[in-house]
Amino acid sequence: KAGVTQTPRYLIKTRGQQVTLSCSPISGHRSVSWYQQTPGQGLQFLFEYFSETQRNKGNFPGRFSGRQFSNSRSEMNVSTLELGDSALYLCASSLKVPLQKGDTEAFFGQGTRLTVV
Amino acid sequence: TQLLEQSPQFLSIQEGENLTVYCNSSSVFSSLQWYRQEPGEGPVLLVTVVTGGEVKKLKRLTFQFGDARKDSSLHITAAQPGDTGLYLCVGERAYKYIFGTGTRLKVLA
Repeated sequence: KAGVTQTPRYLIKTRGQQVTLSCSPISGHRSVSWYQQTPGQGLQFLFEYFSETQRNKGNFPGRFSGRQFSNSRSEMNVSTLELGDSALYLCASSLKVPLQKGDTEAFFGQGTRLTVV
Repeated sequence: TQLLEQSPQFLSIQEGENLTVYCNSSSVFSSLQWYRQEPGEGPVLLVTVVTGGEVKKLKRLTFQFGDARKDSSLHITAAQPGDTGLYLCVGERAYKYIFGTGTRLKVLA
Protein backbone atom coordinates (compact mmCIF):
# COMPACT_ATOMS: atom_id res chain seq x y z
CA LYS A 1 0.00 0.00 0.00
CA ALA A 2 1.23 3.50 -0.82
CA GLY A 3 2.93 5.42 1.95
CA VAL A 4 2.52 9.01 2.97
CA THR A 5 3.17 11.33 0.04
CA GLN A 6 4.35 14.88 0.46
CA THR A 7 4.69 17.40 -2.32
CA PRO A 8 6.78 19.16 -3.31
CA ARG A 9 10.00 17.58 -2.04
CA TYR A 10 11.98 20.78 -2.32
CA LEU A 11 10.96 24.41 -2.37
CA ILE A 12 12.80 27.71 -2.42
CA LYS A 13 10.91 30.88 -1.53
CA THR A 14 11.83 34.46 -0.70
CA ARG A 15 11.02 36.29 2.50
CA GLY A 16 7.48 37.61 2.62
CA GLN A 17 6.05 35.05 0.23
CA GLN A 18 3.62 32.36 1.21
CA VAL A 19 3.81 28.64 0.61
CA THR A 20 1.43 25.68 0.57
CA LEU A 21 2.60 22.16 1.25
CA SER A 22 0.56 19.05 0.57
CA CYS A 23 0.30 15.69 2.31
CA SER A 24 -1.60 12.62 1.19
CA PRO A 25 -1.93 10.11 4.02
CA ILE A 26 -1.94 6.35 3.80
CA SER A 27 -5.26 5.12 2.50
CA GLY A 28 -7.66 4.62 5.38
CA HIS A 29 -5.77 6.86 7.78
CA ARG A 30 -7.85 9.71 9.09
CA SER A 31 -5.34 11.65 11.12
CA VAL A 32 -2.63 13.86 9.68
CA SER A 33 -0.05 15.66 11.79
CA TRP A 34 2.48 18.23 10.67
CA TYR A 35 5.95 18.79 12.11
CA GLN A 36 8.79 21.21 11.55
CA GLN A 37 12.29 19.81 11.84
CA THR A 38 15.38 21.98 12.15
CA PRO A 39 18.89 21.04 13.27
CA GLY A 40 18.67 23.24 16.33
CA GLN A 41 15.12 22.53 17.51
CA GLY A 42 14.55 18.97 16.43
CA LEU A 43 11.01 17.91 15.61
CA GLN A 44 8.40 20.46 16.61
CA PHE A 45 4.70 19.67 16.46
CA LEU A 46 2.65 22.09 14.35
CA PHE A 47 -0.91 20.72 14.32
CA GLU A 48 -3.02 17.65 13.87
CA TYR A 49 -6.15 17.14 11.84
CA PHE A 50 -8.72 14.42 12.17
CA SER A 51 -11.82 14.19 10.01
CA GLU A 52 -11.28 17.71 8.65
CA THR A 53 -11.04 19.24 12.15
CA GLN A 54 -7.95 20.58 13.83
CA ARG A 55 -7.69 18.66 17.10
CA ASN A 56 -4.31 19.69 18.43
CA LYS A 57 -2.06 22.65 17.83
CA GLY A 58 1.53 23.36 18.73
CA ASN A 59 3.13 26.63 19.70
CA PHE A 60 3.57 28.24 16.31
CA PRO A 61 2.45 31.70 15.20
CA GLY A 62 -0.73 32.25 13.26
CA ARG A 63 1.27 32.45 10.02
CA PHE A 64 1.19 28.67 10.10
CA SER A 65 -2.16 27.19 9.22
CA GLY A 66 -3.54 24.04 7.79
CA ARG A 67 -6.61 22.21 6.70
CA GLN A 68 -7.78 18.72 5.90
CA PHE A 69 -10.10 17.68 3.13
CA SER A 70 -12.82 15.06 3.11
CA ASN A 71 -10.45 12.54 1.51
CA SER A 72 -8.04 13.09 4.46
CA ARG A 73 -5.47 14.88 2.33
CA SER A 74 -4.03 17.83 4.17
CA GLU A 75 -2.39 21.10 3.27
CA MET A 76 -0.21 23.35 5.35
CA ASN A 77 0.19 27.02 4.59
CA VAL A 78 2.84 29.43 5.82
CA SER A 79 2.31 33.11 5.07
CA THR A 80 4.80 35.96 5.21
CA LEU A 81 7.76 33.64 5.18
CA GLU A 82 10.76 34.37 7.37
CA LEU A 83 14.31 33.08 7.07
CA GLY A 84 13.77 31.05 10.23
CA ASP A 85 11.00 29.08 8.55
CA SER A 86 13.61 27.20 6.54
CA ALA A 87 13.22 23.60 7.64
CA LEU A 88 12.16 20.11 6.72
CA TYR A 89 8.38 19.90 7.06
CA LEU A 90 7.11 16.43 7.79
CA CYS A 91 3.63 15.09 7.84
CA ALA A 92 2.58 11.86 9.47
CA SER A 93 -0.62 9.87 9.17
CA SER A 94 -2.13 7.40 11.56
CA LEU A 95 -5.38 5.53 12.10
CA LYS A 96 -6.23 7.43 15.26
CA VAL A 97 -9.27 5.29 15.85
CA PRO A 98 -7.34 2.19 16.80
CA LEU A 99 -8.90 -1.19 16.40
CA GLN A 100 -6.52 -2.50 18.96
CA LYS A 101 -3.76 -1.24 21.19
CA GLY A 102 -0.76 -0.41 19.08
CA ASP A 103 -2.69 0.81 16.05
CA THR A 104 -1.52 4.32 16.73
CA GLU A 105 1.80 4.32 14.91
CA ALA A 106 2.54 7.41 12.92
CA PHE A 107 3.92 6.94 9.44
CA PHE A 108 5.93 9.78 8.04
CA GLY A 109 6.29 11.15 4.55
CA GLN A 110 9.67 12.03 3.10
CA GLY A 111 9.14 15.66 3.92
CA THR A 112 9.29 18.95 2.09
CA ARG A 113 12.55 20.83 2.37
CA LEU A 114 11.69 24.52 2.44
CA THR A 115 14.44 27.08 2.01
CA VAL A 116 13.62 30.74 2.54
CA VAL A 117 16.11 33.19 1.06
CA THR B 1 8.67 21.12 27.77
CA GLN B 2 10.63 18.10 26.57
CA LEU B 3 9.14 15.02 28.17
CA LEU B 4 11.26 12.37 26.52
CA GLU B 5 15.00 12.50 27.03
CA GLN B 6 17.26 10.42 24.86
CA SER B 7 20.85 9.57 25.62
CA PRO B 8 23.38 9.81 24.32
CA GLN B 9 22.70 12.70 21.96
CA PHE B 10 25.61 11.80 19.72
CA LEU B 11 27.47 8.55 19.26
CA SER B 12 30.33 7.70 16.93
CA ILE B 13 31.50 4.10 16.99
CA GLN B 14 33.46 1.63 14.93
CA GLU B 15 31.81 -1.03 12.83
CA GLY B 16 31.23 -4.19 14.87
CA GLU B 17 30.74 -2.47 18.21
CA ASN B 18 27.59 -2.73 20.30
CA LEU B 19 25.63 0.24 21.57
CA THR B 20 22.54 1.13 23.58
CA VAL B 21 20.35 4.19 23.25
CA TYR B 22 18.06 5.17 26.10
CA CYS B 23 14.76 6.98 26.09
CA ASN B 24 13.49 8.18 29.47
CA SER B 25 10.44 9.97 30.76
CA SER B 26 8.61 10.59 33.99
CA SER B 27 5.32 10.03 32.20
CA VAL B 28 3.59 6.81 31.29
CA PHE B 29 2.92 6.10 27.63
CA SER B 30 0.33 3.91 25.99
CA SER B 31 2.85 2.90 23.39
CA LEU B 32 6.29 3.90 22.21
CA GLN B 33 7.74 3.89 18.76
CA TRP B 34 11.31 3.97 17.53
CA TYR B 35 12.19 5.59 14.23
CA ARG B 36 15.36 5.99 12.21
CA GLN B 37 15.80 9.02 10.02
CA GLU B 38 18.41 9.59 7.35
CA PRO B 39 19.38 13.10 6.21
CA GLY B 40 16.73 14.75 4.06
CA GLU B 41 14.24 11.93 4.56
CA GLY B 42 11.30 11.36 6.84
CA PRO B 43 11.56 9.11 9.92
CA VAL B 44 10.98 5.44 9.19
CA LEU B 45 9.18 3.37 11.78
CA LEU B 46 11.30 0.55 13.22
CA VAL B 47 9.11 -0.86 15.95
CA THR B 48 6.22 -0.22 18.30
CA VAL B 49 6.14 -1.50 21.88
CA VAL B 50 2.93 -1.42 23.87
CA THR B 51 3.28 -3.73 26.89
CA GLY B 52 5.44 -3.00 29.93
CA GLY B 53 8.54 -5.20 29.87
CA GLU B 54 8.04 -6.05 26.21
CA VAL B 55 11.13 -6.93 24.18
CA LYS B 56 11.13 -6.91 20.39
CA LYS B 57 13.94 -7.88 18.07
CA LEU B 58 14.52 -6.65 14.56
CA LYS B 59 17.62 -8.45 13.21
CA ARG B 60 20.51 -6.87 15.15
CA LEU B 61 18.26 -4.35 16.93
CA THR B 62 16.65 -5.15 20.28
CA PHE B 63 13.98 -2.86 21.71
CA GLN B 64 12.70 -2.95 25.26
CA PHE B 65 9.82 -1.13 26.91
CA GLY B 66 10.24 -0.47 30.61
CA ASP B 67 7.99 -2.30 33.06
CA ALA B 68 6.29 0.97 34.01
CA ARG B 69 6.01 2.08 30.35
CA LYS B 70 8.00 5.23 31.09
CA ASP B 71 11.26 4.36 29.38
CA SER B 72 12.69 2.33 26.56
CA SER B 73 16.01 1.21 25.17
CA LEU B 74 17.38 0.31 21.79
CA HIS B 75 20.38 -2.01 21.64
CA ILE B 76 22.29 -2.56 18.41
CA THR B 77 24.62 -5.52 18.16
CA ALA B 78 27.62 -5.44 15.82
CA ALA B 79 26.77 -2.04 14.37
CA GLN B 80 27.23 -1.49 10.65
CA PRO B 81 27.71 1.71 8.63
CA GLY B 82 24.15 1.26 7.35
CA ASP B 83 22.90 1.82 10.90
CA THR B 84 24.06 5.44 10.70
CA GLY B 85 21.23 7.90 11.22
CA LEU B 86 19.10 9.80 13.70
CA TYR B 87 17.20 7.53 16.08
CA LEU B 88 14.02 8.94 17.56
CA CYS B 89 11.81 7.52 20.24
CA VAL B 90 8.23 8.73 20.23
CA GLY B 91 5.84 8.18 23.08
CA GLU B 92 2.13 8.09 22.43
CA ARG B 93 -0.42 9.03 25.05
CA ALA B 94 -4.06 9.89 24.40
CA TYR B 95 -3.31 10.05 20.67
CA LYS B 96 -0.66 12.69 21.20
CA TYR B 97 2.92 12.06 20.19
CA ILE B 98 5.83 13.15 22.32
CA PHE B 99 9.14 13.13 20.50
CA GLY B 100 12.44 12.27 22.08
CA THR B 101 15.42 14.56 21.70
CA GLY B 102 17.05 12.15 19.25
CA THR B 103 20.32 10.23 19.11
CA ARG B 104 22.57 10.82 16.16
CA LEU B 105 24.56 7.65 15.45
CA LYS B 106 27.53 7.38 13.14
CA VAL B 107 29.09 4.00 12.50
CA LEU B 108 32.55 4.15 10.97
CA ALA B 109 33.75 1.45 8.60
